[in-house]
Amino acid sequence: EAQLVESGGGLAQPGRSLRLSCTASTFNFGDVAMGWFRQAPGKGLEWVGFIRGKRYGGTTEYAASVKGRVTVSRDDSKSIAYLHIDNLRTEDTALYFCASQSPIAPPGFFHYWGQGTQVTVSS
Amino acid sequence: DIQMTQSPSSVSASVGDTVTITCRASQGISGFLAWYQQKPGKAPKLLIYAASTLESGVPSRFSGSGSGTDFALTISSLQPQDFATYYCQQAHSFPLTFGGGTKVEIK
Repeated sequence: EAQLVESGGGLAQPGRSLRLSCTASTFNFGDVAMGWFRQAPGKGLEWVGFIRGKRYGGTTEYAASVKGRVTVSRDDSKSIAYLHIDNLRTEDTALYFCASQSPIAPPGFFHYWGQGTQVTVSS
Repeated sequence: DIQMTQSPSSVSASVGDTVTITCRASQGISGFLAWYQQKPGKAPKLLIYAASTLESGVPSRFSGSGSGTDFALTISSLQPQDFATYYCQQAHSFPLTFGGGTKVEIK
């Protein structure tokens, strides 16, 4: 079973950048797709970004609400996925989760989740 | 984008009750649907994927059904640890989208 741990959250000013990390202790990390999600206070779940495994070229997808400001990347040698957010806005304030698919299950479903890292954007 | 509409938004139930939550997609998504359980301040937990496949380790009182645009999550014999918020998620196409959530509360 995979374990995911997010880090890098905290308080940041509007307009600044932040990079979140998701460290996995798991199966063949390079083979699985990873997703990033967030949850604003008192709100529902929102998908933010996605990166495919190496077999599919590590290509990425982004939500329209963050496209152009967010980059998802991965370092398979370290089993880490990243979420880089530029030009932070107050509406980016949320609990951010990373999650992974399973290499033995159909794609699109997130079987393993980190505990979340809080990002607060405020001046 | 595919919109996911969950109902009800909240439900009050007692231990031992059966609860059914529905999720409707704005267009057909075949069986590309998951259900998650989330407790306050915690990460979501996958319960059901591919509309009706029970995730390993999830109790059999949880079941999923449906295909196309209409789906349901049924919790039989509700247990105290089941009081939480439940979300559906479509995995048919990007952007991935969630339903608005259903909070299952103690009556």
